[in-house]
Amino acid sequence: GIQVEQSPPDLILQEGANSTLRCNFSDSVNNLQWFHQNPWGQLINLFYIPSGTKQNGRLSATTVATERYSLLYISSSQTTDSGVYFCAVGSGTASKLTFGTGTRLQVTL
Amino acid sequence: DAGVIQSPRHEVTEMGQEVTLRCKPISGHNSLFWYRQTMMRGLELLIYFNNNVPIDDSGMPEDRFSAKMPNASFSTLKIQPSEPRDSAVYFCASSFQGGRKTQYFGPGTRLLVL
Repeated sequence: GIQVEQSPPDLILQEGANSTLRCNFSDSVNNLQWFHQNPWGQLINLFYIPSGTKQNGRLSATTVATERYSLLYISSSQTTDSGVYFCAVGSGTASKLTFGTGTRLQVTL
Repeated sequence: DAGVIQSPRHEVTEMGQEVTLRCKPISGHNSLFWYRQTMMRGLELLIYFNNNVPIDDSGMPEDRFSAKMPNASFSTLKIQPSEPRDSAVYFCASSFQGGRKTQYFGPGTRLLVL
């Protein structure tokens, strides 16, 4: 199956700093989603982005499908951005997603 | 919209007991997914349904696990008999097959088997 690697595994930022999270995948995909799991365990869908670039407020994401990677940008980070960020990918006609191991982000004051 | 609803939110049981987890997907969604999250294995897909039909159950760990979707608005995941290694957070998610396939997750059920 598809392998998904995320980096860095852990990240500590001061409030206001910017960051870039990376997701590499081992095969062609037609489905790529970014999720945020908050400290209470809730998984929130951030982006559906199998290719191209999208922005939502302070967050933006870019997927370069031909080079098999995606990037999630967080600008002007806030303490509420803390949690784990997951990249998940899928291919073919199936709806299933394979999740990466996540990047754990801690934003401090 | 109420989002994906799961019950119970927490379950503590003793080894050997039957456990039933419940999920109500978002109205209009026709794909439903059951995931398990543990520290050791991360988030792993157990089974998913399209239009109430199980499509891929290759992630179901063993015969002690079973899942059903009797109608478009309800699914169950059953563990019988439960074992301590089944302790995990179980998530249900739903999406609209044929569209962007964005998956929306429920709050999860935290299961502890003693």
